Amino acid sequence: QKEVEQNSGPLSVPEGAIASLNCTYSDRGSQSFFWYRQYSGKSPELIMSIYSNGDKEDGRFTAQLNKASQYVSLLIRDSQPSDSATYLCAVSGGYNFNKFYFGSGTKLNVKP
Amino acid sequence: EADIYQTPRYLVIGTGKKITLECSQTMGHDKMYWYQQDPGMELHLIHYSYGVNSTEKGDLSSESTVSRIRTEHFPLTLESARPSHTSQYLCASSGGQGAAFGSGTRLTVV
Repeated sequence: QKEVEQNSGPLSVPEGAIASLNCTYSDRGSQSFFWYRQYSGKSPELIMSIYSNGDKEDGRFTAQLNKASQYVSLLIRDSQPSDSATYLCAVSGGYNFNKFYFGSGTKLNVKP
Repeated sequence: EADIYQTPRYLVIGTGKKITLECSQTMGHDKMYWYQQDPGMELHLIHYSYGVNSTEKGDLSSESTVSRIRTEHFPLTLESARPSHTSQYLCASSGGQGAAFGSGTRLTVV
């Protein structure tokens, strides 16, 4: 079982819609959760971090964490073609607190 | 903006050559990482360090080696490059929050 699981997609949404990206993790002791955006040929860029259960909003992005279900999600409201990228979920702070565990990423396509 | 620098950005080198990929950060972060990523594929951790003189192998077996003599510097060395080493190498650092990535080195071994 992988540490972090994501649906590889692609997830296609029309411009202006809400994109919902999901992630599950296996280490129940994990404490820190992150979403990265990676454009093709570029490095991952941190867009959201969340540390406690519930929702955290930043502009058009909302991260949601449910530790009981070991589930993290990212909502992108009013999706734009420029949001088309691969979104990586990352988890840290578990049994090996020095490491980040990345999912394989979900490719998002926002159609104009 | 993250202050983490990788050089070179692109490198084409012949089989059997020794190469060192440079990574430096100016944020004073204790933790540094090397990832390998092929186009369209997932990130694979190959080495990490949680402080000076501490290095650990990651989850992906790699023929490379690393050193951490100074906090800000975490170079990766391949003693004898092979075509199978062709990939993108990403360096990252963390001060306790999320990891910040450098721009990467795209290595091609011919």
